[in-house]
Amino acid sequence: EIVLTQSPGTLSLSPGERATLSCRASQTIISNYLVWYQQKPGQAPRLLIYGASIRATGIPDRFSGSGSGADFTLTISTLEPADFAVYYCQQYGTSPWTFGQGTKVELK
Amino acid sequence: VQLVQSGPEVKIPGASVKVSCKASGYIFSSDGISWVRQAPGEGLEWMGRITSKGDTNYVQKLQGRVTMTTDTSTNTAYMELRALRSDDTATYFCARDRHGRLTDWGQGTHVIVSS
Repeated sequence: EIVLTQSPGTLSLSPGERATLSCRASQTIISNYLVWYQQKPGQAPRLLIYGASIRATGIPDRFSGSGSGADFTLTISTLEPADFAVYYCQQYGTSPWTFGQGTKVELK
Repeated sequence: VQLVQSGPEVKIPGASVKVSCKASGYIFSSDGISWVRQAPGEGLEWMGRITSKGDTNYVQKLQGRVTMTTDTSTNTAYMELRALRSDDTATYFCARDRHGRLTDWGQGTHVIVSS
């Protein structure tokens, strides 16, 4: 199975700052079939980005995804208070689908 | 789109649990359903899925203990996990699976396995 490694584990930032989250795969992800989710405490995950770079419906344009092959990035251009959460990447190019371990974006 | 899951469960080791997920707001038969679990304080773990055609695909570690089904007459998906262990304690989520991207999620069902 494809192992996804997210870094850093925790990102301590202030509102207004830029967040850069990394997701590296143990092998190439077919067709860049990679998604990013946001999860807040006590809630279900929310789809942000799919196909590595396509924003899901209703997702603000401060969220952007990039990358290809085995190296992917989620960028939040200007952090807002609602963005402090845990972010997961997931690949759906090869079964079984797998998730990264998550990156927590916390208030500095 | 809404996915509404059944309520919390407390089970003893060795028992089985069956979680339901009722979908509305889209054509249920057009997409699959994935099941994802999250142990307390941990990350997300994909358990498997049932496709729109009814084919199932389970992670190897749960093979033989998990069964995923759907009832298209009620737009409901089910996940049954048998021979429960303490490390099955988790929140279980169903999610609309659109060719691998999980676009809509249920609210989660807490399952506690304890003697």
